[in-house]
Amino acid sequence: GAGVSQSPSNKVTEKGKDVELRCDPISGHTALYWYRQSLGQGLEFLIYFQGNSAPDKSGLPSDRFSAERTGGSVSTLTIQRTQQEDSAVYLCASTLTIETGELFFGEGSRLTVL
Amino acid sequence: AQSVTQLGSHVSVSEGALVLLRCNYSSSVPPYLFWYVQYPNQGLQLLLKYTSAATLVKGINGFEAEFKKSETSFHLTKPSAHMSDAAEYFCAASGRSSSYKLIFGSGTRLLVRP
Repeated sequence: GAGVSQSPSNKVTEKGKDVELRCDPISGHTALYWYRQSLGQGLEFLIYFQGNSAPDKSGLPSDRFSAERTGGSVSTLTIQRTQQEDSAVYLCASTLTIETGELFFGEGSRLTVL
Repeated sequence: AQSVTQLGSHVSVSEGALVLLRCNYSSSVPPYLFWYVQYPNQGLQLLLKYTSAATLVKGINGFEAEFKKSETSFHLTKPSAHMSDAAEYFCAASGRSSSYKLIFGSGTRLLVRP
């Protein structure tokens, strides 16, 4: 597809379980971002990948959160031992270069932790 | 650390009235600045961007924003509101070197009254 693809679109899990969220960016885009959007809140930066550089993980809220990007393309955000406060929409975005300013966002993965 | 402040979580205007959405950033070096819009049940899309050229930036749908370094502001305006402008608007800022982490403000929901 031409856009950023995220899966699953919806995930309901029980507290304490691990979840994996996947992002398939636009082909050729070297920069990839993960954000979290909670109900009524703005976009909270989580992590940023740029090419082969070390990712900027400064936004990850705790060590239960981790992300990787394999082969400079697909990225997986993993949340271990989920808590109810992790419930949110997790958005992935990619861009060729930040100077263009245009991040292309996926539809998001809505996570509900019961 | 870079931060973005949007004054007013909700702004209500009458159709045909001026739209003014406020955004201030914190940075000693002028960052790249952006406005994104999120229409109901849709993903985010770029409205306009400031990367270093003209300080008055024109975007889609008649919106424009002015970069004022002395005020560290990047307010979004539109001379005449239309019902279709009802959406959530996010201001965002990115650094210019070492890290292109893109930080979003908390968003402003624009309501347009008939």
